[in-house]
Amino acid sequence: SQQGEEDPQALSIQEGENATMNCSYKTSINNLQWYRQNSGRGLVHLILIRSNEREKHSGRLRVTLDTSKKSSSLLITASRAADTASYFCATDRGKSTFGDGTTLTVKP
Amino acid sequence: DAGVIQSPRHEVTEMGQEVTLRCKPISGHDYLFWYRQTMMRGLELLIYFNNNVPIDDSGMPEDRFSAKMPNASFSTLKIQPSEPRDSAVYFCASSSALTANEKLFFGSGTQLSVL
Repeated sequence: SQQGEEDPQALSIQEGENATMNCSYKTSINNLQWYRQNSGRGLVHLILIRSNEREKHSGRLRVTLDTSKKSSSLLITASRAADTASYFCATDRGKSTFGDGTTLTVKP
Repeated sequence: DAGVIQSPRHEVTEMGQEVTLRCKPISGHDYLFWYRQTMMRGLELLIYFNNNVPIDDSGMPEDRFSAKMPNASFSTLKIQPSEPRDSAVYFCASSSALTANEKLFFGSGTQLSVL
């Protein structure tokens, strides 16, 4: 089964709102990564958080990690229509394993 | 750098035919991964190579699938014979040794349709 599981499966918001996606995993990790996939394209790496970190920022992205709950969240602030995409979390375990993704739709 | 290059972009074939997907990783990357993406099963890791050597092929569905990496700049994923259930988007990804478990660079994928 997939190591990462994203929640919700789909999210629809208005431009300017914040979007929060969650990821749960099952076993211990060294790091957790978030990727974006635009329709018909490959995945693009967004941000990585290590197991000894609790929060990380990159531009409008904020990632948190709670290893006790085996969960992570990705917050996109001030969303834009261009943020419309699917978002995946991935864990290492020697090879990145991906969840099923959250499909985000940002309405202009 | 041009990034990870996959070909063809789209492939339509008939059941029973051989299909070969190609990948050129980013120059200097030591790791190469093949993934398959479907609506039902999501993104699945099929196989990955380190320095041209297959390390883990436990995700390869069955013997009809084979992958090779004859040199550092080229890899193939072959399906023989192909079946309709193989229809999916196949991605190739590469990474450097330093970031193998931290950051993957994906190609644009090959959309495979087996009729």
